Amino acid sequence: AQSVTQLGSHVSVSEGALVLLRCNYSSSVPPYLFWYVQYPNQGLQLLLKYTTGATLVKGINGFEAEFKKSETSFHLTKPSAHMSDAAEYFCTVRRGTGGFKTIFGAGTRLFVKA
Amino acid sequence: EAGVAQSPRYKIIEKRQSVAFWCNPISGHATLYWYQQILGQGPKLLIQFQNNGVVDDSQLPKDRFSAERLKGVDSTLKIQPAKLEDSAVYLCASSALSRGANYGYTFGSGTRLTVV
Repeated sequence: AQSVTQLGSHVSVSEGALVLLRCNYSSSVPPYLFWYVQYPNQGLQLLLKYTTGATLVKGINGFEAEFKKSETSFHLTKPSAHMSDAAEYFCTVRRGTGGFKTIFGAGTRLFVKA
Repeated sequence: EAGVAQSPRYKIIEKRQSVAFWCNPISGHATLYWYQQILGQGPKLLIQFQNNGVVDDSQLPKDRFSAERLKGVDSTLKIQPAKLEDSAVYLCASSALSRGANYGYTFGSGTRLTVV
């Protein structure tokens, strides 16, 4: 069975500091991995995705994530946090068969301090 | 392109009442999903449609929840009767996904349901 673990339900950084949101997955087959962002009172928006090919994936708003098979990780990073990055971030894994069911992590809320 | 439309944005009902949510996906998207997001948790899939057929409804509480997608476009999700634990945000998403798994989803803004 596939699952996703997001380490840390809350992360707080100062404006301009590095953002690191951790995600580990378990999958018996090569996974498809996604990060979504949810701003207050809004739906989820796709940040980036890994399917095949290059393991370093660049997304919107300066975010990127690296797929590390040996560590079963897909951590999300941004070199310099901005106040507008404050939101909830969800890591998801998609099973590649049987209807492509997507499993969501519990989410990490990012706080950015001025 | 227009996004996924959902209505209403907010709904407050008393327990044991019924409620319905509506979703209009992105034009041409064959796959439609309804998710339930309880405060502090990640979204949980309730039901997945491929065109107007159900692909996965394994986590839909069928004794009280029902959903349909007539003509493979709009969809409605109904709860009857509602319970206090149904208080959540109900998210609709659509995808161009057919046989490929590398498409992201486009989500609507959700309907926030409060059951009192």
